[in-house]
Amino acid sequence: DAGITQSPRHKVTETGTPVTLRCHQTENHRYMYWYRQDPGHGLRLIHYSYGVKDTDKGEVSDGYSVSRSKTEDFLLTLESATSSQTSVYFCATGTGAYEQYFGPGTRLTVT
Amino acid sequence: SQQGEEDPQALSIQEGENATMNCSYKTSINNLQWYRQNSGRGLVHLILIRSNEREKHSGRLRVTLDTSKKSSSLLITASRAADTASYFCATDALRYKLSFGAGTTVTVRA
Repeated sequence: DAGITQSPRHKVTETGTPVTLRCHQTENHRYMYWYRQDPGHGLRLIHYSYGVKDTDKGEVSDGYSVSRSKTEDFLLTLESATSSQTSVYFCATGTGAYEQYFGPGTRLTVT
Repeated sequence: SQQGEEDPQALSIQEGENATMNCSYKTSINNLQWYRQNSGRGLVHLILIRSNEREKHSGRLRVTLDTSKKSSSLLITASRAADTASYFCATDALRYKLSFGAGTTVTVRA
């Protein structure tokens, strides 16, 4: 987990409220990723970034948006949280199509 | 959809025994990776095997890759309690993106 932090680590929010999760890296990696992890599904890619202000959708991007204004920060926003977005969210970084480095995760509960 | 699928879903072994888990995938790949996740933590990279390699070792880990069968296996020898974790295979069929399986949960009993 060294070099990658996520905040908050735990959050409980109500349906319909906006939520922003932050990922911060000190590795100067070009690529950053947001995944969600749910029982039985493994990790599923939400969005990823291949540079400052360059982002693209993953396989489960509906209901999520991202922004990357600096190399070190990658934000994930749930515009209007729903109960189906209750999950553990992981940020990861990488230098390309090789190994990725994961943060400690954020446990989000939408009530 | 997930590219990789691990088998079995769960595995319980005695300390000192070997643990073997398998991963099958659907499309051509450049590399296949294995990651470990301890409870409540992020994933940690264990080993990468390239599509032109058949076997790779790292400490007590041995990975094989059979591209004709689109499958890989991870063997952990002489297991320890600290090996208790979930193990995921990941493929890079998609550019810059990894596709993870649902994982194998390994429990090592003392």
